[in-house]
Amino acid sequence: EPEVTQTPSHQVTQMGQEVILRCVPISNHLYFYWYRQILGQKVEFLVSFYNNEISEKSEIFDDQFSVERPDGSNFTLKIRSTKLEDSAMYFCASSGRKLAGGLETQYFGPGTRLLVL
Amino acid sequence: QQQVKQSPQSLIVQKGGISIINCAYENTAFDYFPWYQQFPGKGPALLIAIRPDVSEKKEGRFTISFNKSAKQFSLHIMDSQPGDSATYFCAARPLDNYGQNFVFGPGTRLSVLP
Repeated sequence: EPEVTQTPSHQVTQMGQEVILRCVPISNHLYFYWYRQILGQKVEFLVSFYNNEISEKSEIFDDQFSVERPDGSNFTLKIRSTKLEDSAMYFCASSGRKLAGGLETQYFGPGTRLLVL
Repeated sequence: QQQVKQSPQSLIVQKGGISIINCAYENTAFDYFPWYQQFPGKGPALLIAIRPDVSEKKEGRFTISFNKSAKQFSLHIMDSQPGDSATYFCAARPLDNYGQNFVFGPGTRLSVLP
C-alpha cells in the first residue's frame, strides 16, 4: 500500500539554526500538507500546498517557515531560524484528487521529531 | 468558530466494552468529519469519516454518529480491545475553494484494559 514517508525521523538542532524536513508524498497525490504536534497536544495545521503554491496557511506558519516542492517527488518544510518552541513532531500529509461527492482522505507520514536546544 | 471540542480527555474501558468519544463544532461550513487513530510515535491514521448528509456510518467495530442540528458527532468502538488503546482525534474540514486543512480536536487517550 502506498504511504507517505518522512526523513529524518529525528532531528536535533541548536536554536537559530535552519532545518529542512523532508517528505515524499504518495506518488499520484496533488495536495500536500504540513502539520505539527507539540508533545501531548493536538495536531495543528501549518500549511497546504497545491499546484506549486501555498493554498492556505495558519497563523503558526510565519516568515520563518517555507515550503517547497523541489522536484516531482519531494515536499520540504524549512524552518529558517529555529526557536525552542518549534520543538514538536512534524507530520507531512498528502491527498489525492477529489472523488465524486468531494470526499478526500489525507494520508499522514510517520513524522519527524524536531528538538531545538 | 474554527474549534472542534472533544471529550473526554481520557477514557478507560474494559475489554469487550463500548468506547464512546464525543466531538462538537461550531462552524456550519464544516462538511467532512474524519476520525484519526494515533499510536505513540506514529502519525495519525484515518479510521473512519462521515459527511453531514448521513447520520451514521459503520465500519466493522467502529461507528460514527452524526447529529447535524446539534453540530455533534461521536465515535463508538464496540467490543473494545487492548489493541485499540491509542489517542483518537476527531477532525473537521471547513468548506473552502482550496483549503483542505483539517481542524483537529484535542484528542482522547483511550486505554482498554485486558
